[in-house]
Amino acid sequence: SAVISQKPSRDICQRGTSLTIQCQVDSQVTMMFWYRQQPGQSLTLIATANQGSEATYESGFVIDKFPISRPNLTFSTLTVSNMSPEDSSIYLCSVRGGGQEFNYGYTFGSGTRLTVV
Amino acid sequence: GNSVTQMEGPVTLSEEAFLTINCTYTATGYPSLFWYVQYPGEGLQLLLKATKADDKGSNKGFEATYRKETTSFHLEKGSVQVSDSAVYFCALSGASGSRLTFGEGTQLTVNP
Repeated sequence: SAVISQKPSRDICQRGTSLTIQCQVDSQVTMMFWYRQQPGQSLTLIATANQGSEATYESGFVIDKFPISRPNLTFSTLTVSNMSPEDSSIYLCSVRGGGQEFNYGYTFGSGTRLTVV
Repeated sequence: GNSVTQMEGPVTLSEEAFLTINCTYTATGYPSLFWYVQYPGEGLQLLLKATKADDKGSNKGFEATYRKETTSFHLEKGSVQVSDSAVYFCALSGASGSRLTFGEGTQLTVNP
């Protein structure tokens, strides 16, 4: 299955600032997903990052707050903008392989633990 | 839309006890079903999966069977270890390439 490198692994940020999270995959994948996991909660999908087009955002998430880039088939970034303490969460990227990799399911990065103070 | 419901936690067991974590789902068509595990301070790891009815996924002593008649995918392990302490998530995906829908997660603590 695909191997994902996600960074930073953790950060403590001041409110009002922005943080960009990077996700690098060791193979080309069509779809990349960004999730948020609030403390003690399950995972909520923020958006699906498509190469060459705008990301598709889920209800409750907007591009101004969570801009996403997807410049190629192996890389994506998620920016958390104008942060507030409510943005303190773990952010995870995920991919699903294609072709023979498809049935391996979804692979997740190790996550970025964000604390906003 | 798709949804996944897991048994409420947390679950606390003694080492070598039998584990069941219930998972039921609602979905159109024929979803793929997954169990993911999140160890403390780490990301999610795929534990096992099943892609069609009556499939049994298994890994590291854990098993789950895709039951379409009861729309369930319960996770079981015959003898848990302290190292199994983690949060377990049941999840499904619908059509090809669609995103995962997660259950609420179940915190498992295994005491020596």
